Order: sequence, then structure tokens, then C-alpha cells
Amino acid sequence: EAGVVQSPRYKIIEKKQPVAFWCNPISGHNTLYWYRQNLGQGPELLIRYENEEAVDDSQLPKDRFSAERLKGVDSTLKIQPAELGDSAVYLCASSLVALSGTEAFFGQGTRLTVV
Amino acid sequence: DQQVKQNSPSLSVQEGRISILNCDYTNSMFDYFLWYKKYPAEGPTFLISISSIKDKNEDGRFTVFLNKSAKHLSLHIVPSQPGDSAVYFCAANPPGNTGKLIFGQGTTLQVKP
Repeated sequence: EAGVVQSPRYKIIEKKQPVAFWCNPISGHNTLYWYRQNLGQGPELLIRYENEEAVDDSQLPKDRFSAERLKGVDSTLKIQPAELGDSAVYLCASSLVALSGTEAFFGQGTRLTVV
Repeated sequence: DQQVKQNSPSLSVQEGRISILNCDYTNSMFDYFLWYKKYPAEGPTFLISISSIKDKNEDGRFTVFLNKSAKHLSLHIVPSQPGDSAVYFCAANPPGNTGKLIFGQGTTLQVKP
């Protein structure tokens, strides 16, 4: 069974440019998460989806970040315009259900460098 | 406001010995605690978890201990193997059954042959 697939793996862009990340979760997983991991830190949640509904986006910087999950499967995360401080690894994860103690499966991440 | 803290950035142990990774938290309402392992250029992978109503959970070479009064948990790896060398993240589920994870900063474990 394929795991969580993310693309691209790496992205280098100039500040003020837009960028988008794509995530394909494990088949059948209703819950999808986007996390951001800054250097030397643990991942931090940006947004959580239940099917196609964003149920927790309280930590998403909405002035420049947007996300969507069409048809409750694939998801895209967009930054426009990107700032130097957005350089980080963006991780997508999925789980069968959103319950405490449930294992979340992570993709390999997209490493974004803003120059 | 770091709710989950891993105060040791790195740990080095000899192969065959015990590795002990520590984690402290501030919120007594956390439901579950989970440990994830991360190799370079890969995403974190689940290792072991413990419910807040338990004080120990064991899975093969891995055991997690929870001390609720001290708001402290630890991961024991016995015996340690070179393949265990990775970054270990402690994480917690806040109440509300969202599956959301609050991560610590991570501890890099190096197991020397």
C-alpha cells in the first residue's frame, strides 16, 4: 500500500513569489493534516481536514496561506506571497480517523527555501 | 509557550546499551502521548504510544513510561542498535479527539557500533 505522497520534495523560490505543495493521503484516510517544521523544531499543525472540510485552521496564517482538499482526497497548500520566514519543511499526514492515540502517517515532506 | 519539551537535543549511546529519551509536558489534560522516529529526508514514523490513564506501555525493545504527577514521560530502547539512530519526537494529543499532535523539539539519538 502506498504511503502519503507529497510533491515536490524540494522547492527554492524568491521571496514574494507564490508556491504550492501537493499531498495525496493514504487511500481511505478521512483526516488530513498539514504541518510545518522549522529547523531544529518539531512539526506544528497548520490545518486539519475531515474529508473536504477544514475543521481546524486556527494556526494557518490566512493572509498568505491557503489550502484546499477537493473531493476529500488530495490536498494543496499554497503560499502567496512567500516570505523568507516561510522556509521550512511542510509535512502532510493522514489518519483513518481523528481520535486521540491514532497513528498519523506522514509523507516525506516538501523542503521550501525562500531566498 | 512550549507545551511539550524535549530538553536534550542529542544523546549518544553504545550499541547494546539502554537509550533513555525524556519528555516533559505542561498540560495535564493531554489524552495520549506518542513517540515518532524520523530519519533524514523522511517523514516521521509512529513508534509507540501511551494513554494518559496508563503508566507503562511496552512493544518489543521499546517501552514508554508515563509519570503524570511529574508531567514527564520517557522512552527506553533496550538494547539499542545502530539502526535506531534517528531523531525522536515526543508528541501529545490534546483533549477533544482531534488527532492533532503537539510535538516536542526532538532528540537526536546516535547509537555507536
